[in-house]
Amino acid sequence: EAQVTQNPRYLITVTGKKLTVTCSQNMNHEYMSWYRQDPGLGLRQIYYSMNVEVTDKGDVPEGYKVSRKEKRNFPLILESPSPNQTSLYFCASSLSSGNEQFFGPGTRLTVL
Amino acid sequence: AQSVAQPEDQVNVAEGNPLTVKCTYSVSGNPYLFWYVQYPNRGLQFLLKYITGDNLVKGSYGFEAEFNKSQTSFHLKKPSALVSDSALYFCAVRDTPNAGNMLTFGGGTRLMVKP
Repeated sequence: EAQVTQNPRYLITVTGKKLTVTCSQNMNHEYMSWYRQDPGLGLRQIYYSMNVEVTDKGDVPEGYKVSRKEKRNFPLILESPSPNQTSLYFCASSLSSGNEQFFGPGTRLTVL
Repeated sequence: AQSVAQPEDQVNVAEGNPLTVKCTYSVSGNPYLFWYVQYPNRGLQFLLKYITGDNLVKGSYGFEAEFNKSQTSFHLKKPSALVSDSALYFCAVRDTPNAGNMLTFGGGTRLMVKP
């Protein structure tokens, strides 16, 4: 089944404790992206990747890192999480940036 | 910079009536436009897209959208609403490729279809 998977689905952590949210797709897509969803703000793009080893900043990259060492994986790293990063995070992938995106189920992160 | 506006936080419509969810955009070149739907506790699902060609785009679940370049709009429509259409709808835009590959989403519009 074609899908985008994210782990964990739920995470409660404390300020400053490094964490990684994994994202994997099995569709051989080149374009992958991370978004955060906050009430009233819609989805905001954090980072995106056009292909392996090619990443670029979205609208709200501060406090986040990404890497794209393999085509299928695009982890989101929070080196020192803060409470303002409490949000619902979505990973997505598509053939290219002009194609429709397939979204993962979301990761709800709470930073205390 | 590209931007998307969804002016209505919520749209209420009776089942069987036509529905419209509004979206306007701003880009420097020619837009790629998308509509996505989000059901409770789920990720977003693609409904339809406009890249070029016919201004009226047909998508999933009986939805369609009309691209209007002069009004920079891409409103989502359906002739007859169903209760099961109740969800959160997002419009998204990407500028032409040489302007970047970022995708910008609107704030979302909650559609409530009453029986």
